Amino acid sequence: NAGVTQTPKFQVLKTGQSMTLQCAQDMNHEYMSWYRQDPGMGLRLIHYSVGAGITDQGEVPNGYNVSRSTTEDFPLRLLSAAPSQTSVYFCASSYLPDRGYDGELFFGEGSRLTVL
Amino acid sequence: GEDVEQSLFLSVREGDSSVINCTYTDSSSTYLYWYKQEPGAGLQLLTYIFSNMDMKQDQRLTVLLNKKDKHLSLRIADTQTGDSAIYFCAEIAGDDKIIFGKGTRLHILP
Repeated sequence: NAGVTQTPKFQVLKTGQSMTLQCAQDMNHEYMSWYRQDPGMGLRLIHYSVGAGITDQGEVPNGYNVSRSTTEDFPLRLLSAAPSQTSVYFCASSYLPDRGYDGELFFGEGSRLTVL
Repeated sequence: GEDVEQSLFLSVREGDSSVINCTYTDSSSTYLYWYKQEPGAGLQLLTYIFSNMDMKQDQRLTVLLNKKDKHLSLRIADTQTGDSAIYFCAEIAGDDKIIFGKGTRLHILP
């Protein structure tokens, strides 16, 4: 029972490099999302998706791209990394609450990204 | 836009009750949540309340919701050292996105 799997757990990048954070869930959740967590800032929503083929911007989308080609996968792409993107990134998924579920988010273990 | 506010720190003596407060802005929120994050870990759902409820009790946890003031609180009775963590308030805002507050770090005094 894997739940939400994020890779890699740690990554160091140089400014200007690109990379993709992978996220996969095996619970058939419609909703998937990416958050970043910074000290004193809590969790801020980057992008989210309510189903395959649908993505939308969250609170801090600039510098990040996402796609949702399947229900299971929701990769987060950094096209040109900047030091301001140094953070811990969390992927999370849930059923949508409109079908009688409570919308509980299930989180991955986090990916710690450092941009030099 | 949507916003969730909560104080950043709370210190409580072991055995006392902890009360963590949160205010939110989206009056259409259907569910409001409390998540707990222990050091080095992701977040886990602690409890939630549906917007048509005023109160929900679950063992040592009591959630109070004041919809008029858009105020949510979490009370932890008989606070233990294992309750030391960051507690996040969250709401389902418009367009189904889930927005979190900055988190309240609960520190337990011996």
